[in-house]
Amino acid sequence: DVKVTQSSRYLVKRTGEKVFLECVQDMDHENMFWYRQDPGLGLRLIYFSYDVKMKEKGDIPEGYSVSREKKERFSLILESASTNQTSMYLCASTPGLGTDTQYFGPGTRLTVL
Amino acid sequence: RKEVEQDPGPFNVPEGATVAFNCTYSNSASQSFFWYRQDCRKEPKLLMSVYSSGNEDGRFTAQLNRASQYISLLIRDSKLSDSATYLCVVNRPGRRALTFGSGTRLQVQP
Repeated sequence: DVKVTQSSRYLVKRTGEKVFLECVQDMDHENMFWYRQDPGLGLRLIYFSYDVKMKEKGDIPEGYSVSREKKERFSLILESASTNQTSMYLCASTPGLGTDTQYFGPGTRLTVL
Repeated sequence: RKEVEQDPGPFNVPEGATVAFNCTYSNSASQSFFWYRQDCRKEPKLLMSVYSSGNEDGRFTAQLNRASQYISLLIRDSKLSDSATYLCVVNRPGRRALTFGSGTRLQVQP
């Protein structure tokens, strides 16, 4: 079974803090993705990566950066957290061309106070 | 116009009912289509892919109409366990990424 894990289920941070969200997959997948999910807006793509050290902006990259130093790990960084970044963050991975099944982690519910 | 549009619902149906969800997509070059299911407070999981000729998986039937850029999901003989949000998903041509609809919530009642 594919397993995608995220470092925290719940996180509370203060405005201005630097926040790291970690995602690890154990199936040697090429592609990894970060989404945020908000009521009424669905899943919105923040960034994705199709190879180590490669990244591509999604639909809402502003205020975020990413890092992929190893194939199995994809990190999302909030350089200076703001209250409008309070959300559910979901990581996903997929093999091949990126149109295969996406396997999601359990999500991190981030609250920025 | 949103890339993928769905009726948010909720659809409240009794057990045993047949229910259908629709979805429209804006990019006519899209080639891959899926339905994902998301239970409350859980991550999305693939329910089924949608093929050009239509396809069935048990009580679930998916249809694609390329001319109208329209995808549907039919659930027959609804079970309480079918209660979830159903996400319509479409590939992004030229990019290794997908676009997710906002989802349609289904509540099956006893």
